Amino acid sequence: AQSVAQPEDQVNVAEGNPLTVKCTYSVSGNPYLFWYVQYPNRGLQFLLKYITGDNLVKGSYGFEAEFNKSQTSFHLKKPSALVSDSALYFCAVRPLRSGGSYIPTFGRGTSLIVHP
Amino acid sequence: DTAVSQTPKYLVTQMGNDKSIKCEQNLGHDTMYWYKQDSKKFLKIMFSYNNKELIINETVPNRFSPKSPDKAHLNLHINSLELGDSAVYFCASTAGKATGELFFGEGSRLTVL
Repeated sequence: AQSVAQPEDQVNVAEGNPLTVKCTYSVSGNPYLFWYVQYPNRGLQFLLKYITGDNLVKGSYGFEAEFNKSQTSFHLKKPSALVSDSALYFCAVRPLRSGGSYIPTFGRGTSLIVHP
Repeated sequence: DTAVSQTPKYLVTQMGNDKSIKCEQNLGHDTMYWYKQDSKKFLKIMFSYNNKELIINETVPNRFSPKSPDKAHLNLHINSLELGDSAVYFCASTAGKATGELFFGEGSRLTVL
């Protein structure tokens, strides 16, 4: 069975500093990895995904993520954090299940707080 | 235009009642989902529906039932509501391929008194 771990419940960073939100995964076969962001009282929004190719993936709002197969990680990064980046971030994996269904599994979420 | 829309956004009801949450997507997607987000923000898959194939999370009580009148709609019906059903329910859709990202609705906050 697939699983996703986000080891930090909360990440605090000062505005202008780089940020990293960690994600590790466990899955059979090729992992399709995603990051989503959730602002208060809103639905999740897609940020970026890794399917194949370049290990560094660029996404919305200046975010990027690095796929590391040997460490089974897909950490989310941004060179310079903004206060408006404060939100809940979810990592997700979407592998092939038996029977051909692709049901995404989400991590528990990491609350990112960017201080002015 | 809203890609995935859910109604109602808020729902307050008494224990034992039956309620429904509607979901519609105008993206032409083949697959739709219902997720439950609890008070700790953990997202739990409840149902996946693809081309009339329903996949149910075995931990979901049978009081919950998805109903799909067509490819663009996946409604959630809940019988005999319990206090523990209070949560935010999210509908999502995707193109059906493993590589496709999910598009989420804004959520429906259910409060059971």
